Amino acid sequence: TQLLEQSPQFLSIQEGENLTVYCNSSSVFSSLQWYRQEPGEGPVLLVTVVTGGEVKKLKRLTFQFGDARKDSSLHITAAQPGDTGLYLCAGVNTNAGKSTFGDGTTLTVKP
Amino acid sequence: DTAVSQTPKYLVTQMGNDKSIKCEQNLGHDTMYWYKQDSKKFLKIMFSYNNKELIINETVPNRFSPKSPDKAHLNLHINSLELGDSAVYFCASSQELANGELFFGEGSRLTVL
Repeated sequence: TQLLEQSPQFLSIQEGENLTVYCNSSSVFSSLQWYRQEPGEGPVLLVTVVTGGEVKKLKRLTFQFGDARKDSSLHITAAQPGDTGLYLCAGVNTNAGKSTFGDGTTLTVKP
Repeated sequence: DTAVSQTPKYLVTQMGNDKSIKCEQNLGHDTMYWYKQDSKKFLKIMFSYNNKELIINETVPNRFSPKSPDKAHLNLHINSLELGDSAVYFCASSQELANGELFFGEGSRLTVL
């Protein structure tokens, strides 16, 4: 079973602060995705990283895929209340035909 | 237009009952999934279908029976409901199996009393 552990599980910060969320596994993935889920809704894709060492930026969000394609990080600069939500990483295993989700990081950004 | 829609959004029922959740996607995708999200927000795959064919059954009790009448629909029927079945069930779709973005429905919150 491929397990993905996210840290921290909960994060509460003030508006304007920076933060980093980590997603770690002992398994290698074909690609890794980050989703954000808001209360009462389904997860929505933020980014997919495919190549080991890849860095992608989405406005104030920076995503990195580890060189060995086993881990990833999400860094948010100058967090805003609108960033509040549950962040989920998902490791994609094309051979197994499925995505495995991490245990999630709940982020609260206070105004 | 809602891309992935599932009904009902809320379901409250007694232990031992049988219930169904329906899902439809209008994205033209080939693959559909059912995920279960527990109270700790852990999202776990239950089933995946590709062009109406069952691909993944992730050791789900056989009280859960998915059915895909066509590739735009994937329904979930649950027999003899148990307390531990209480969760939010998400339907999702993707263009290809385990490749590309997963598009999720809004979820169906099942509460078993």
